[in-house]
Amino acid sequence: DIQMTQSPSFLSASVGDRVTLSCKASQNINKYLAWYQQKLGEAPKLLIYNANSLQTGIPSRFSGSGSGTDFTLTISSLQPEDVATYFCLQHNSWPLTFGSGTKLEIK
Amino acid sequence: QVQLKESGPGLVQPSQTLSLTCTVSGFSLTSYDVHWVRQPPGKGLEWMGGIWGDGSTAYNSALKSRLSISRDTSKSQVFLKMNSLQTEDTAIYFCTFLERDYWGQGVMVTVSS
Repeated sequence: DIQMTQSPSFLSASVGDRVTLSCKASQNINKYLAWYQQKLGEAPKLLIYNANSLQTGIPSRFSGSGSGTDFTLTISSLQPEDVATYFCLQHNSWPLTFGSGTKLEIK
Repeated sequence: QVQLKESGPGLVQPSQTLSLTCTVSGFSLTSYDVHWVRQPPGKGLEWMGGIWGDGSTAYNSALKSRLSISRDTSKSQVFLKMNSLQTEDTAIYFCTFLERDYWGQGVMVTVSS
């Protein structure tokens, strides 16, 4: 199975900061990576698919990059409503596997 | 519009079998796949398995021996059955139309005697 490693596990940043979250795959997953945002008590919400494609309705401050094994989710200017846990998901091969998540808080 | 809704018991005894139902609307199970994802309290997401439009299935390697996913297309329902439950199976269980990012609200299942 492909292992997905996210870092950091916890991040505290100020409103307006540029924030970068990392996700690394244990083997090549091409571009088949998605990023999800999960707020407390809610189901996950898709932000980015195929590594760098912005899901409809998601603010443009969110962007994704990477391919192969190394991927990044960037929030260009952190907003209070971005407080959440962010998960990556590889869908290159079965079984699908999630990363362990990055919990993002406002400083 | 697309909707998914999970239903099932909130409490299951250890060693027993969990049976959950996902009732969908707004899309056809013969054309799209539905997946099950679970989340233990305060922890991360775990993909459990999925069933495709053609009826084929795929499972998480760690759960494969005790997990079964099936469906009734006439009722627009997808079923999850998992046996030999233990306390570590306590979680919120979601069904999801992953491809289009539609999720049920989730059902909390507690494994306890």
